[in-house]
Amino acid sequence: DTEVTQTPKHLVMGMTNKKSLKCEQHMGHRAMYWYKQKAKKPPELMFVYSYEKLSINESVPSRFSPECPNSSLLNLHLHALQPEDSALYLCASSQASGGAPETQYFGPGTRLLVL
Amino acid sequence: ILNVEQSPQSLHVQEGDSTNFTCSFPSSNFYALHWYRWETAKSPEALFVMTLNGDEKKKGRISATLNTKEGYSYLYIKGSQPEDSATYLCAFHGGATNKLIFGTGTLLAVQP
Repeated sequence: DTEVTQTPKHLVMGMTNKKSLKCEQHMGHRAMYWYKQKAKKPPELMFVYSYEKLSINESVPSRFSPECPNSSLLNLHLHALQPEDSALYLCASSQASGGAPETQYFGPGTRLLVL
Repeated sequence: ILNVEQSPQSLHVQEGDSTNFTCSFPSSNFYALHWYRWETAKSPEALFVMTLNGDEKKKGRISATLNTKEGYSYLYIKGSQPEDSATYLCAFHGGATNKLIFGTGTLLAVQP
């Protein structure tokens, strides 16, 4: 199974709402990632978890709160977002074996619209 | 600020044409260069991870070359088919971290 799944596929939320994005993989990968992609721009890294610990936070505003409850799951909790946060949110995973450069396997993304 | 550039931005070809696109990246602190193929509404699919200067990789009709000294990689598609229509992304992997810096992609449309 080389699949990374993400739910929901689409999400519309108001600026006062709290919502969560979910990502799951069953490849035994120990590194998981959140990326954000705005229209016509490249995906940009937000967070990296390695062995369930946050290892990289790319200066992301605190209204985005990641969580890695176990090695298969990655959540992104959203609160008090702004319309400019509307984007495609991609999750990825990799082995985290610490050896050669690793392929990151991506999910299909959650398209978020903040009204 | 690290810059990863891809050209052209988009490409329209006829079925059977061969095509190629370019990815330019910083030549310093190189660790790897990744190529992905991304069809609309699907997950980005990993094509190649390239690490060595002069590396050439091949997967079916798709191949890629790498020049780390001058900071570029070429992706070639031989005999394009409509199912090759997708956005092709490269990602620079600098230093021994997990951070990928993506280019803006080349959108390929293959007309039957």
